[in-house]
Amino acid sequence: GDSVTQMEGPVTLSEEACLTINCTYTATGYPSLFWYVQYPGEGLQLLLKATKADDKGSNKGFEATYRKETTSFHLEKGSVQVSDSAVYFCALSDQGGSEKLVFGKGTKLTVNP
Amino acid sequence: DTAVSQTPKYLVTQMGNDKSIKCEQNLGHDTMYWYKQDSKKFLKIMFSYNNKELIINETVPNRFSPKSPDKAHLNLHINSLELGDSAVYFCASSPVGLAKNIQYFGAGTRLSVL
Repeated sequence: GDSVTQMEGPVTLSEEACLTINCTYTATGYPSLFWYVQYPGEGLQLLLKATKADDKGSNKGFEATYRKETTSFHLEKGSVQVSDSAVYFCALSDQGGSEKLVFGKGTKLTVNP
Repeated sequence: DTAVSQTPKYLVTQMGNDKSIKCEQNLGHDTMYWYKQDSKKFLKIMFSYNNKELIINETVPNRFSPKSPDKAHLNLHINSLELGDSAVYFCASSPVGLAKNIQYFGAGTRLSVL
């Protein structure tokens, strides 16, 4: 079945450092890809998405590009802030209309001042 | 206004008890979901309802029974609770149409079975 693999955490960075969280997927067909973020004590919220190959999703300084050839959707940010500390989830949904999201295991990011 | 709200936020109970978690969304969405997040943060879908009709039922024990009285509510009832049911349960909702894959999550209910 479909699956998502993302890098194990936790990740600890200093403010203004560069961030990359790796995500690869296995799916039949052409899934849509997502990054969700979970701030402490809150539910998940959509950070960005891409629906087809070579699409780039971006939001709040974060970017991820849908790479079909490497089946990847790595999350990047050039300069992280303390407020970016959260758990980040990579996810996919198939295009079969089931609306089911398959999540990776999450990567906890801590940004220190 | 909270878009997707779950109650209670924390639930501590004994093995063998029956408990319910409630979820309400005020976004006007047609589809609602329940997810389970285990101690390792792994998040997996349990159920999905579209306009009160069950459309996704993953391999979940029969002790778990979702109930949707209307499209704004999706409650989760759990019978004969077991230690392995301890987890954080998230409710979510999504609209129809092009944005159907964007899901909006509640803050979660942390269930501890002793």
